[in-house]
Amino acid sequence: NAGVMQNPRHLVRRRGQEARLRCSPMKGHSHVYWYRQLPEEGLKFMVYLQKENIIDESGMPKERFSAEFPKEGPSILRIQQVVRGDSAAYFCASSSQRGLNEQFFGPGTRLTVL
Amino acid sequence: AQRVTQPEKLLSVFKGAPVELKCNYSYSGSPELFWYVQYSRQRLQLLLRHISRESIKGFTADLNKGETSFHLKKPFAQEEDSAMYYCALKGGSEKLVFGKGTKLTVNP
Repeated sequence: NAGVMQNPRHLVRRRGQEARLRCSPMKGHSHVYWYRQLPEEGLKFMVYLQKENIIDESGMPKERFSAEFPKEGPSILRIQQVVRGDSAAYFCASSSQRGLNEQFFGPGTRLTVL
Repeated sequence: AQRVTQPEKLLSVFKGAPVELKCNYSYSGSPELFWYVQYSRQRLQLLLRHISRESIKGFTADLNKGETSFHLKKPFAQEEDSAMYYCALKGGSEKLVFGKGTKLTVNP
């Protein structure tokens, strides 16, 4: 089992461009979580999705950010019209169920906005 | 509000010395507490969780509800313990709330 996969590992965008971050959960996992880590900070929850459903988006900024987890394919975190403050490491985690099941983390995508 | 505080940004000890990484939390209900570790060039991984009450790699952590703490301890630190350690809380939902992390360096 290759574990949680994220790509790209590094992404550079200019202000105003769009950033798309992908996350493939571990095999058999249907729950995906996105976290953001700003420099010198801990990871902060953004959104929790199951296949085709957003369960909890309480950590998502109200504008420019969206997430999906389609029936087929990876989960996508999309940031429109990026700004310098979006520069951060974005981590995806997956679990097989809610509750006591461990969240397994991917290696992260480091987004740099020029 | 749910909050996790790790007061030490950096912690340096010598090999063989005891180590304690502090974690305090704020949550009105009954939380689940975790310690995650990130070794150099590796992904974040679960070290232990209070519900398991087990020792992993010689580390233990006891949930103290009176002091709202979940400190991580190891009696004899090893060089391979050098890493970033994050305390995390889960309370009433599936999201994890992380502290800012403590960088542990174990010197030879």
